[in-house]
Amino acid sequence: DQQVKQNSPSLSVQEGRISILNCDYTNSMFDYFLWYKKYPAEGPTFLISISSIKDKNEDGRFTVFLNKSAKHLSLHIVPSQPGDSAVYFCAASLDDKIIFGKGTRLHILP
Amino acid sequence: GAVVSQHPSWVICKSGTSVKIECRSLDFQATTMFWYRQFPKQSLMLMATSNEGSKATYEQGVEKDKFLINHASLTLSTLTVTSAHPEDSSFYICSATDSFNTEAFFGQGTRLTVV
Repeated sequence: DQQVKQNSPSLSVQEGRISILNCDYTNSMFDYFLWYKKYPAEGPTFLISISSIKDKNEDGRFTVFLNKSAKHLSLHIVPSQPGDSAVYFCAASLDDKIIFGKGTRLHILP
Repeated sequence: GAVVSQHPSWVICKSGTSVKIECRSLDFQATTMFWYRQFPKQSLMLMATSNEGSKATYEQGVEKDKFLINHASLTLSTLTVTSAHPEDSSFYICSATDSFNTEAFFGQGTRLTVV
């Protein structure tokens, strides 16, 4: 049973528009959520995170929103740039254990 | 979908002993594997990158003599924590990619407790 789900395997967005990547989780005890980004030939790298006590965290063009009642979080990238084309992983953490979603491939179209 | 199996899922060991963690790709050939460590409430820290048949590349600040990584086959990489100390207690997770290197698949992680 997947505790962290990314239901969209891929997403295409026009350059300059907003990219929205979604993630759902099942365990209400998760206390920390993270997003990772992966380019080809590289390992996943940390992008942004949010504590469960918050509902929004912003870092430059990246904003993560957390809706605890819906057990849903999303990553907004605005404006989208060609370099944002990558695979994005959502992850949830409890204590020091972390569980990843399967990833969403984002294509930024010129 | 591709599966990466990490074993054991948790282990308790005595200080001074060594612990081996395995990461296996079950249905694809993992040409590259990444080993991460997580501290509570922090993001994953990349420890090293290993390519099958060659020596691992360690990140700055990671002791390669303490964290031995072996990637002897296309389906198996191991991380051995040598002479473990309580400060090595953490959650360790592996990630594997295939030859196309566009996606990453994560293991379930291993919680190591050194007492």
